[in-house]
Amino acid sequence: QKEVEQNSGPLSVPEGAIASLNCTYSDRGSQSFFWYRQYSGKSPELIMFIYSNGDKEDGRFTAQLNKASQYVSLLIRDSQPSDSATYLCAPQSGGSNYKLTFGKGTLLTVNP
Amino acid sequence: DVKVTQSSRYLVKRTGEKVFLECVQDMDHENMFWYRQDPGLGLRLIYFSYDVKMKEKGDIPEGYSVSREKKERFSLILESASTNQTSMYLCASSTTTLGQLWAFFGQGTRLTVV
Repeated sequence: QKEVEQNSGPLSVPEGAIASLNCTYSDRGSQSFFWYRQYSGKSPELIMFIYSNGDKEDGRFTAQLNKASQYVSLLIRDSQPSDSATYLCAPQSGGSNYKLTFGKGTLLTVNP
Repeated sequence: DVKVTQSSRYLVKRTGEKVFLECVQDMDHENMFWYRQDPGLGLRLIYFSYDVKMKEKGDIPEGYSVSREKKERFSLILESASTNQTSMYLCASSTTTLGQLWAFFGQGTRLTVV
């Protein structure tokens, strides 16, 4: 069974702090990794992806990938109350037919 | 902007009914997906399709079937609805750019089976 595990929430951080969201995956064939944000009552929306080992920065967001450890993370710097949402990690399986599976998500609350 | 449209926002059906959930995308995407989302269980993949008339089972296909006769439309069928299929159903579509799946979601259909 291929699994995606995310750090259990909820995660609560004060405004302006760094929020760290973690994800491990079991499928070594996974090549690309996506982070989605889902506000309460809304559909998930793509915020970042990463496919190379190391860090990828986009504004206040940094995705980190370590394929040897099968670990991917999302850091949110200068957290804002508007970042309060559930964050979903989604490894993309390899092979010719693409399949996108999700972790259960981590609920982040940023307190003003 | 990519638009993925699900036919209903809320749906109430009776046990044993055959239920059709429709999803249409307007971006000529190759791949389409059906997920259900339940509290504590996250998003679980039911079926996906990577081309017209092609489909593959996801992680929880039991009790469901799908149809993709046209590229833009992907239907989820509950052959005989049961109360344990009460859930939020999310459709997504994606293209494959440089091997990456960029998935966009519809607004969701909250199905209640009574």
